Amino acid sequence: NAGVTQTPKFQVLKTGQSMTLQCAQDMNHNSMYWYRQDPGMGLRLIYYSASEGTTDKGEVPNGYNVSRLNKREFSLRLESAAPSQTSVYFCAIRTHLQAQETQYFGPGTRLLVL
Amino acid sequence: LAKTTQPISMDSYEGQEVNITCSHNNIATNDYITWYQQFPSQGPRFIIQGYKTKVTNEVASLFIPADRKSSTLSLPRVSLSDTAVYYCLVGDMDSSYKLIFGSGTRLLVRP
Repeated sequence: NAGVTQTPKFQVLKTGQSMTLQCAQDMNHNSMYWYRQDPGMGLRLIYYSASEGTTDKGEVPNGYNVSRLNKREFSLRLESAAPSQTSVYFCAIRTHLQAQETQYFGPGTRLLVL
Repeated sequence: LAKTTQPISMDSYEGQEVNITCSHNNIATNDYITWYQQFPSQGPRFIIQGYKTKVTNEVASLFIPADRKSSTLSLPRVSLSDTAVYYCLVGDMDSSYKLIFGSGTRLLVRP
């Protein structure tokens, strides 16, 4: 997962607490994405940013906010965590791989909300 | 964004060829078809992408019929390490390049 880093790797929160998940890329790509993946399920798009300074909602944006302050970083914030937000969160960037257009994923952040 | 339908799971044995078919009846003219592989506790990893006919790389082949309403990922001579979830996605290469993941196909390769 070189090129896309996510912090923290694992986090436990109590209901109502807030936190920010960080994602950073060193590949100089414009588009960045946040997904969540619940156990046994596919990934669902939360928010994405097509370029620096722009953000748009994905499939499941409720309960989340994002910030794209610069080209390198795209953060995801939970203002008041709920148990339903227990999931694995993946950040991804749009990139070219093997001369094709694709998304490249970070290692993920595992979030447990009690 | 076009929705895709795949089998929930498949079983195979080492050394066999595995074909996973994906249905995407509402694929749009500008959509490309992309397959990802995901191992437990990791993010999805790009396998192969195509628009029409056949695409082959060092790990897989992708067959797309003329009507593009389906596609088949072919994994030659699978090994135990190919046990993973495989996702078929369609999406166009516009500025957002949003991808919608389904539940994927869980492939189990047995010795």
